[in-house]
Amino acid sequence: NAGVMQNPRHLVRRRGQEARLRCSPMKGHSHVYWYRQLPEEGLKFMVYLQKENIIDESGMPKERFSAEFPKEGPSILRIQQVVRGDSAAYFCASSPQVDTGELFFGEGSRLTVL
Amino acid sequence: KQEVTQIPAALSVPEGENLVLNCSFTDSAIYNLQWFRQDPGKGLTSLLLIQSSQREQTSGRLNASLDKSSGRSTLYIAASQPGDSATYLCAVFNAGNNRKLIWGLGTSLAVNP
Repeated sequence: NAGVMQNPRHLVRRRGQEARLRCSPMKGHSHVYWYRQLPEEGLKFMVYLQKENIIDESGMPKERFSAEFPKEGPSILRIQQVVRGDSAAYFCASSPQVDTGELFFGEGSRLTVL
Repeated sequence: KQEVTQIPAALSVPEGENLVLNCSFTDSAIYNLQWFRQDPGKGLTSLLLIQSSQREQTSGRLNASLDKSSGRSTLYIAASQPGDSATYLCAVFNAGNNRKLIWGLGTSLAVNP
């Protein structure tokens, strides 16, 4: 059973471009969470999704950021018109359909905005 | 609002020492508490998960305790090794509908040979 898969592992974008980060949860997991780790800062919750539903997006910036978890395919975190302050590590986690409260994390996607 | 604090922020010890990392949280309404390890530029490795009804968990040289009423957890590392050098993160998973992990800033541990 493969773990949580995130890609790309590293992404470089110029200011104003779009960044798309993908997360495939573990098999049988229907809950997906995205967290962001800014340089020299702690991890912060961004969004919690279940299949085709956003459950809690209270940690998402109001503009430029969006997330989805479609019926088929991976969860996508999309950042439009990136700025240097978006440079961070973005971690995805998943948990089983019967929620045990245990999250399994991917290796993260590191975004660098030039 | 849940806040998680970890003390100390950094720790440097000689190899072989037993050490304790501290984590405190402000709201006792938690579902569980988890300890993670993060190596520089790497992902998050789950070390121990303590459910809110439990008092401690052990894995090898690691032991984590939870005192929910006082809002505290400790991670005990026995006979530390240079390979234990990393940042140790504490995170609480809030109960109820507010299901998210709230993280401490971590303790950066260096174990010197």
